[in-house]
Amino acid sequence: GIQVEQSPPDLILQEGANSTLRCNFSDSVNNLQWFHQNPWGQLINLFYIPSGTKQNGRLSATTVATERYSLLYISSSQTTDSGVYFCAAASNTNAGKSTFGDGTTLTVKP
Amino acid sequence: GAVVSQHPSRVICKSGTSVKIECRSLDFQATTMFWYRQFPKQSLMLMATSNEGSKATYEQGVEKDKFLINHASLTLSTLTVTSAHPEDSSFYICSARDPGPNTEAFFGQGTRLTVV
Repeated sequence: GIQVEQSPPDLILQEGANSTLRCNFSDSVNNLQWFHQNPWGQLINLFYIPSGTKQNGRLSATTVATERYSLLYISSSQTTDSGVYFCAAASNTNAGKSTFGDGTTLTVKP
Repeated sequence: GAVVSQHPSRVICKSGTSVKIECRSLDFQATTMFWYRQFPKQSLMLMATSNEGSKATYEQGVEKDKFLINHASLTLSTLTVTSAHPEDSSFYICSARDPGPNTEAFFGQGTRLTVV
């Protein structure tokens, strides 16, 4: 199956700073998503981005499918951005099952 | 985006009892749903794929007789944890996709199971 690696595992920022989270995947994918898991465990869909670039407010994401990586950018971070960020990848050769990375735990300090 | 609803959000049960968790796709039909488990400070691990009208397929190491999955309609899949033990305490979360290739997966709110 697909292997998904995220880096860094932990990230501590001062409020207002920018950050880049990385997701590498081992095989061709046709589905790549970024999630933020809130303190109650709920997965919040951030981006569905199998390729290309998308932006939503202070967040943006880029996937370079040919090079098997995706990046999540957080600008002007806020304390409410704290939490765990997961990427998940899937391919039709694996029956559409999503494989999650181990996540990046982001802590934004005031 | 599409909505996947999971119920209950929290459940506490006694050892030896069974617990049923429901996963519903509210505004689309899902021929396939997925069940994940997440232990504290860990990632989400796929347990099984729920297929409407047929048997679920389980990932290696997941006991199919302990985690019963039923996908009786295009909008509902259920996971029953049978004869629960404290080590089954975990966060269980389901997901569903719109039919067709290259579609986004939507996740339920998750169920935190505590077995005492």
